[in-house]
Order: sequence, then structure tokens, then C-alpha cells
Amino acid sequence: SAVISQKPSRDICQRGTSLTIQCQVDSQVTMMFWYRQQPGQSLTLIATANQGSEATYESGFVIDKFPISRPNLTFSTLTVSNMSPEDSSIYLCSSTGGKIQETQYFGPGTRLLVL
Amino acid sequence: SQQGEEDPQALSIQEGENATMNCSYKTSINNLQWYRQNSGRGLVHLILIRSNEREKHSGRLRVTLDTSKKSSSLLITASRAADTASYFCATDARSQGAQKLVFGQGTRLTINP
Repeated sequence: SAVISQKPSRDICQRGTSLTIQCQVDSQVTMMFWYRQQPGQSLTLIATANQGSEATYESGFVIDKFPISRPNLTFSTLTVSNMSPEDSSIYLCSSTGGKIQETQYFGPGTRLLVL
Repeated sequence: SQQGEEDPQALSIQEGENATMNCSYKTSINNLQWYRQNSGRGLVHLILIRSNEREKHSGRLRVTLDTSKKSSSLLITASRAADTASYFCATDARSQGAQKLVFGQGTRLTINP
């Protein structure tokens, strides 16, 4: 199974600023995913990031607000741009790549609070 | 939109008792998965059941799937304090040609010692 790390683990930011979250996988994976989990809620997929192509965004999420990079098969970043208090959430990255193809492995999450 | 609906939203039981959580979904699926999340941390995969399977076991976990009713259940037997967590079901879906997971709302399980 893939082991995933995220940085930072948490941050407190001022509205109007941007934060870039890093996600590192310990093995090469084709697909990486970024999720948002608002307080007390379930996970909502923001986008799918494949290496060598533009990220695919879900309905309600746009590249200008959540730009994503995927420079290689082990790394991705998600930027939360021009933040507002409504962006306060846990942001999680995940990847496939384990023994069971459909299973996703998650990073520990980045807890973001926007003041 | 979220496909899975889970009930109960919260469940509190005594240690040693069994815990049952249910998940319903709306569209046809290839597989359904259950994940656990401790205190807002990352999710841990528990078990995957495919659409042609009716029941699956893994240690103290038992998962059933009824595709005619579009529902699944997760049973945790002989619960322990360490089982306290949120449990999510997730169904597979395709979006813009890519495979993705759609998560249910989750059940918050509390095991009281």
C-alpha cells in the first residue's frame, strides 16, 4: 500500500492569502486525488491529478481557486487561493496504487483555518 | 453530489457490543468500500466488496451488499474502545472518464468503556 505524507499538517491563515499544500507518495502512482472535508462533513472530491496532464475538476471547483500541480509520479500540490473563512476545512490527498486497484490510500490531511 | 447515505449518523454503544452501520446509494456500482477516519485524520481503507459479492469478512468486520436494494451494511463485532471513529462508505463512479470515489455522510461511532 502507498504511504502518503502531507505538509503542512495544519495552518491558520488570513483571508485573502493563499496556501499551498504538498502531498508526497512513497511510490510512483498514476492517479492522485484532492478532497475537501468541511467541519463535521464527509469528503468531497475537488479534482483528480494525473501526471503529465491538466487536473480534472469536479463540479463546483475551479482551477483559479484550487490550482493543482503534478510534476511527477510521486508528488502533487494543491493551492487554496484568495482564501475566505468558508475555505476552513481539512484537505486530504489520496492515491490509488495498492494491491486492490480501486482502493485509495490517504494522507493524514491538512487542517486549515481561515480567519 | 453525494451518492451514499448512511445511518445512523451517530452510534454510541458499550465495549464488547456489536455495531452495525448502513449505507444506501443511488446508482449502479462496480464495488463499494468502507473507510475509517480517526479524529479528522486521514482515512484508512477497511474492506471492498464487489457488486457480484453478497458478504465479505475481515477479522471482526463483516460487510454485506444488497444490490437490489442498493444498500450495504458494516458490522463490527466485539467492539473495542479503539474502534471509536467515523466510518464512511464509498461507491465507485466515473467522472469525465476517470474513476473516482463518492463518499457517504458517515457514521460517528463511539465505543464506551
